[in-house]
Amino acid sequence: QVQLVESGGGVVQPGRSLRLSCAASGFSFSNYAMHWVRQAPGKGLQWVAVISFDGTSKYHADSVMGRFTISRDNSKNTLYLQINSLGAEDTAIYYCARDRGSGYSNGYLAYWGQGTLVTVST
Amino acid sequence: QSALTQPPSASGSPGQSVTISCTGTSSDIGGYNYVSWYQQHPGKAPKLMIYEVSQRPSGVPDRFSGSKSGNTASLTVSGLQAEDEADYYCSSYAGRNKYVFGTGTKVTAL
Repeated sequence: QVQLVESGGGVVQPGRSLRLSCAASGFSFSNYAMHWVRQAPGKGLQWVAVISFDGTSKYHADSVMGRFTISRDNSKNTLYLQINSLGAEDTAIYYCARDRGSGYSNGYLAYWGQGTLVTVST
Repeated sequence: QSALTQPPSASGSPGQSVTISCTGTSSDIGGYNYVSWYQQHPGKAPKLMIYEVSQRPSGVPDRFSGSKSGNTASLTVSGLQAEDEADYYCSSYAGRNKYVFGTGTKVTAL
């Protein structure tokens, strides 16, 4: 069955960097676009970024562009999110999610991990 | 991308119907048929309930239905059940290969 397991979260000081990972299993990872979505404590969902199945196309929300970078390693079945210059507003659960269909993204997030919590604090 | 607008809460008695609206613009909901809906129970990851405006993934009960008119999408839960109590989020393609979620609606079974 499809499984997505995020890791790399934790307590981080403002201004520092962090790399989140999402280990995928149970499907042909290299055939699917992947997304990151975040949710601040007690708040709604916010789409963060998408990467194409082959990693050649990457798109980020305007609010995180320049600080966040999505990437993937299809040989390791792993998705990444590099976050730089962390601020309090980045405190959230970060979910990785897989598109419903193979190929390029249609934005229908059919499978989600359980999320990893990033807390930005001194 | 500005968040799509949803009512903060909606409620109904068990067995009744509840409809949640999701209002966007011609740059997102109104411009594309890439609307989806997600259900999220407390402490859990979201679950895809509706995609492509009105399609249900396998395993989603047929009491969940979706529609769209102009810049507004809607999710209807017919025959509300206790387990349907959750937060619901709409989502839409917003152009330039980007996506946007709604503000979320908490559904309560009275």
